[in-house]
Amino acid sequence: QSALTQPASVSGSPGQSITISCTGTSSDVGSYNLVSWYQQHPGKAPKLMIYEGSKRPSGVSNRFSGSKSGNTASLTISGLQAEDEADYYCCSYAGSSPVVFGGGTKLTVL
Amino acid sequence: EVQLVESGGVVVQPGGSLRLSCAASGFTFDDYAMHWVRQAPGKGLEWVSLISWDGGSTYYADSVKGRFTISRDNSKNSLYLQMNSLRAEDTALYYCAKDRVRSAYSYTFDYWGQGTLVTVSS
Repeated sequence: QSALTQPASVSGSPGQSITISCTGTSSDVGSYNLVSWYQQHPGKAPKLMIYEGSKRPSGVSNRFSGSKSGNTASLTISGLQAEDEADYYCCSYAGSSPVVFGGGTKLTVL
Repeated sequence: EVQLVESGGVVVQPGGSLRLSCAASGFTFDDYAMHWVRQAPGKGLEWVSLISWDGGSTYYADSVKGRFTISRDNSKNSLYLQMNSLRAEDTALYYCAKDRVRSAYSYTFDYWGQGTLVTVSS
């Protein structure tokens, strides 16, 4: 099972919005509503930010939102803040595999 | 408060074996599937293995199938990963992670430990 495709890096200024894409196939992202997104600060464990494509766990800021179109899922962060600077990973159920992660995206807040 | 504490990571020679442990607290352990996820130094996340809440079903990534065995002891609220025939490419920080949904597989990880480092080197 190949990893999901994410951009290596994205950047934005405080207050702006950014979107991170996560492209899979009809065997994973495109077939199941089981995409999740994780935030990882350096030296820390990952933190769940979005599950089932667009749902936020309790305690996660509503500045974070998720969506999906076809084989591509997206994470949007609005009102960028310095604390959002981190690595972000998408993840999807992939049937027989059964879990596949994206390669990760480094978000820089300028 | 949910806590997951991994242990057992060490430096091991290629071809060697190792068992990782994860002690869980703060939730009803035997209600939830559990996962191992690893991260090689400076690299991304890689899912390794999954075990059902009752230990009756297990799943593995192709990269570890036949070499790693996941297990759990619900009486001890503990998760394990037996790692055999270790290779240099198994070098990573190994996280245990809790599945989000009770008595089902959501393939979503809502709590993570801090990880235990496994280094495979001669």
